[in-house]
Amino acid sequence: SQTIHQWPATLVQPVGSPLSLECTVEGTSNPNLYWYRQAAGRGLQLLFYSVGIGQISSEVPQNLSASRPQDRQFILSSKKLLLSDSGFYLCAWRTPGTALPNYGYTFGSGTRLTVV
Amino acid sequence: EDKVVQSPLSLVVHEGDTVTLNCSYEVTNFRSLLWYKQEKKAPTFLFMLTSSGIEKKSGRLSSILDKKELFSILNITATQTGDSAVYLCAHMEYGNKLVFGAGTILRVKS
Repeated sequence: SQTIHQWPATLVQPVGSPLSLECTVEGTSNPNLYWYRQAAGRGLQLLFYSVGIGQISSEVPQNLSASRPQDRQFILSSKKLLLSDSGFYLCAWRTPGTALPNYGYTFGSGTRLTVV
Repeated sequence: EDKVVQSPLSLVVHEGDTVTLNCSYEVTNFRSLLWYKQEKKAPTFLFMLTSSGIEKKSGRLSSILDKKELFSILNITATQTGDSAVYLCAHMEYGNKLVFGAGTILRVKS
């Protein structure tokens, strides 16, 4: 079966510290992978997406970067966190070519990041 | 830039009430509108709407799309405390990227 793992579930980091959030997918090959962020009281905003190993597209200018070192692994990083990086980070994946019922989108359980 | 706007931003109702959540959109090339329910963590998929006027229904929840007026509504009848959540509306762009609205926070009081 296909599953998505995202960790850690919660994280409290000081301003200026580095960040690494990891997302892995099981049971599928060559998925499209996505990182979304949800600030308090806001909807989800797409940060990065990837259609293959080493292929990263950035949607918004920011303090974060993403990498895809393996087919089913997607990493969100920062060298120095800012207070404004606080939020709820969700990883998602889909199988290319899937249309129904929701284009195959599956979200991970998320990481709640608080920068202090 | 594609835009999705939801209203109201928050809503408090009593059990048994019927609620209507609104989602309007301004997009370059419409593809599909999706509704999700989010309780603390990952959003749960509810409906995908592609065609105008065709109601999608699941139990007490239903949704419909109006492509002429560029909006969708999500109805919940006979609300229960378990319906308390954030309801998200999103447009699926070509390129398979979701553009979300800010969400509606629904609280159902017993």
